[in-house]
Amino acid sequence: ETGVTQTPRHLVMGMTNKKSLKCEQHLGHNAMYWYKQSAKKPLELMFVYSLEERVENNSVPSRFSPECPNSSHLFLHLHTLQPEDSALYLCASSQLASRYGYTFGSGTRLTVV
Amino acid sequence: DAKTTQPPSMDCAEGRAANLPCNHSTISGNEYVYWYRQIHSQGPQYIIHGLKNNETNEMASLIITEDRKSSTLILPHATLRDTAVYYCIVRVAVVPGTYKYIFGTGTRLKVLA
Repeated sequence: ETGVTQTPRHLVMGMTNKKSLKCEQHLGHNAMYWYKQSAKKPLELMFVYSLEERVENNSVPSRFSPECPNSSHLFLHLHTLQPEDSALYLCASSQLASRYGYTFGSGTRLTVV
Repeated sequence: DAKTTQPPSMDCAEGRAANLPCNHSTISGNEYVYWYRQIHSQGPQYIIHGLKNNETNEMASLIITEDRKSSTLILPHATLRDTAVYYCIVRVAVVPGTYKYIFGTGTRLKVLA
């Protein structure tokens, strides 16, 4: 257990469904991140939140909608996804202005059918 | 783009030291080098980080060259459980105090029995 918890661990959804991924951190961090990892590819940064404000959106399609209601929680709302969106979605957190690195969750394995 | 380059793969005999190199020739004077590893389909796990001095912890040692343009991660006695993809990362500032990791393809280390 890293202190960053992602739920669910696995998700299968149809292309017309709406679902949400949840990330919760118990480390007192104040920055949170979403990454996507497709098969055989490096991790791709999707969104960066700093003090609950989105500070980076890495050209992510609008069918992915992040939400950070407080510094401990991060959501990724999904709608009208495509099969190519099937991937491992990873959440991470960190402390601002700290030399210590990210702490990652275990990820949500998403399959779009 | 990632600010680091690593060999795509390496093998190491069990019980021997694994030395994983990384080039980061464009690193700035105040940027840290971070190492993470990812075991199949799990979230990346923090290993170690450093600025200019060599560092050691219970998992590994990090050797940074004097000009800081390259570094080597050393796993002193590799075990089969060290088989993973190892990432060397130089973080990039998003806004003051908030950093992002840009992942490259990493080095796939295979520890052989």
